[in-house]
This record gives sequence, C-alpha cells and structure tokens, in this order.
Amino acid sequence: DTGVSQNPRHKITKRGQNVTFRCDPISEHNRLYWYRQTLGQGPEFLTYFQNEAQLEKSRLLSDRFSAERPKGSFSTLEIQRTEQGDSAMYLCASSLEFGDHEQYFGPGTRLTVT
Amino acid sequence: SQQGEEDPQALSIQEGENATMNCSYKTSINNLQWYRQNSGRGLVHLILIRSNEREKHSGRLRVTLDTSKKSSSLLITASRAADTASYFCATDAVSGNTPLVFGKGTRLSVIA
Repeated sequence: DTGVSQNPRHKITKRGQNVTFRCDPISEHNRLYWYRQTLGQGPEFLTYFQNEAQLEKSRLLSDRFSAERPKGSFSTLEIQRTEQGDSAMYLCASSLEFGDHEQYFGPGTRLTVT
Repeated sequence: SQQGEEDPQALSIQEGENATMNCSYKTSINNLQWYRQNSGRGLVHLILIRSNEREKHSGRLRVTLDTSKKSSSLLITASRAADTASYFCATDAVSGNTPLVFGKGTRLSVIA
C-alpha cells in the first residue's frame, strides 16, 4: 500500500483522557501535515513537519496538543486532557518538499470525546 | 482561518447533468487544488492548477483559474451518482512554505 495510513480510524474517549494518533505518510514524501476537520467545515491546519523538524504550528494547536516525527517517517499527534471540543476528524497528509506540493491525505481518525 | 469560499454551499442535480462549483480566495497563490471527500472519509486529490495556468482538464473535470478575480471553478460533466460528495478548494500560498488553506466546501448530490 503506497497511500497515507492513519490509526486508529475511530477513537472514543472520556473527557480528561489522553489520546495518541499515528500517521504513516507516503514513503518518499518528506513533508507531513496534520489537519483537523469539524462537521460542515473544511480541514484546518494544525502543524507540519519537514523530515523530523516541526516547521509550523497553528494557533489552533493548544498546549494540550503535541506532535512528533522522530525519525522523519511516521508521526504521532497526542492530545492531553481531552475536551469535548476536541471531537473532530484528524487528518494527516504528506507531500514532497519540492514541486507543486500536492498533498495526499489519509482516511483520518475520528475522535469522539464524551 | 479559512481563505477559500466555495459557492454554492450545496448543489443537487440529476445524473447526467453538469455540476459547476466556484471558489474564491483572498491572497496570492502558488497553485489551487480541488479535493473530493465522501461522507466521513479522507480527502481525495482531484486536480491542481498553477497560478500561471488558466484552464486544466482531467477526465470529466474542468478547472479554470482567474487570478485577477481570485477565483476558480470546477466543472464536472455528465455527473454520476458516485460523484455525490463534498468538494473543497485549497490554496497553496506564494511562499510555498505554508500548508493548504481550505474553504468550507460544496456539498454535491447527484440523483440517479
């Protein structure tokens, strides 16, 4: 499979718990992006990596959110002390550093905080 | 914040008809991309048009770009029930170092 994969696909958690999502990008892509999408809205940027370096973070990314890409391959997004407002689809995408930066998206992780 | 604005927000057509969706954006861009999203799923890349291009075709898709008006349109010809989905435009800023900025999407329903 050469596409972007994300795990888990669905996560239900209680408010206050920590959750971690994983994204495996297309192998030759050195850029990896995280987006969040709520119902009826388009995806909103959270953060992105070039190789293992985290180059940009959105103001949406509160202190409770942290992302890593330790070896420049897969990435994890952790949300600590989840709140109901964190319920959303979390999308990962990857692209090449050069060229048109076409981004290819994974299937997403749907988080429900109860 | 979301830069793109798709119009209309929702569109319902009969199978076989053409569907046109519009997108407006605010700042100078490197390129503009269109994505499709089926309900509850990830986004599928449809087509990319660069800022120096005016029109591009891919199968039943035709995209136009007018940088003077900061707008783009996506035309789907001979629509099929399987085209039912949300369609988003996304812009890649001139710097090339910022992520895509998406609009809120157009929800297309194709009735068989």
